[in-house]
Amino acid sequence: GDSVTQMEGPVTLSEEAFLTINCTYTATGYPSLFWYVQYPGEGLQLLLKATKADDKGSNKGFEATYRKETTSFHLEKGSVQVSDSAVYFCALSDSYEGAQKLVFGQGTRLTINP
Amino acid sequence: NAGVTQTPKFRVLKTGQSMTLLCAQDMNHEYMYWYRQDPGMGLRLIHYSVGEGTTAKGEVPDGYNVSRLKKQNFLLGLESAAPSQTSVYFCASRWTGNTEAFFGQGTRLTVV
Repeated sequence: GDSVTQMEGPVTLSEEAFLTINCTYTATGYPSLFWYVQYPGEGLQLLLKATKADDKGSNKGFEATYRKETTSFHLEKGSVQVSDSAVYFCALSDSYEGAQKLVFGQGTRLTINP
Repeated sequence: NAGVTQTPKFRVLKTGQSMTLLCAQDMNHEYMYWYRQDPGMGLRLIHYSVGEGTTAKGEVPDGYNVSRLKKQNFLLGLESAAPSQTSVYFCASRWTGNTEAFFGQGTRLTVV
């Protein structure tokens, strides 16, 4: 079945550091890929998405590129802020099953120190 | 702009008791989902629905039942609660498979 694997957390960085959170996936069909963010005590909210190979999703300084050849969708930000501290989830919807399911990785907790 | 509303927000159950979690969305979305979130496990899909009157099993459906009698509501039932069902439950909805999912605020359930 479909699956998403994220880098082990937690991740702790200093403010203005460069961020990479790795995400790789397994899918039967041709998936759409998403990054969601969860702030403390809240539900998840969409950060960015990409629906086809080589697409780059971007939002709030975060970027991720859909790499079909490496089945990856790594999240990057050039200069993180304390306010970026949250849990980040990579997710996919696979066209094979009509894109009905939304499958998540285990999440990566990010803490940014001032 | 209510979005996705979950009821209740907190609940403590005794082992063997039953309860129903309600998810309501006001965006006319077709797809709705129930997830549970446990430390180190991410979000695991319990059940989902792709339209009124339809339901399907997700990754961890055992011990749960669902119903989608109205398009805007998706109910999650626990017939006989077990301590292993202690978790935070999230409901989500979206138009179709490639679109953004909107999440509720979560229900923290403790089974003692």
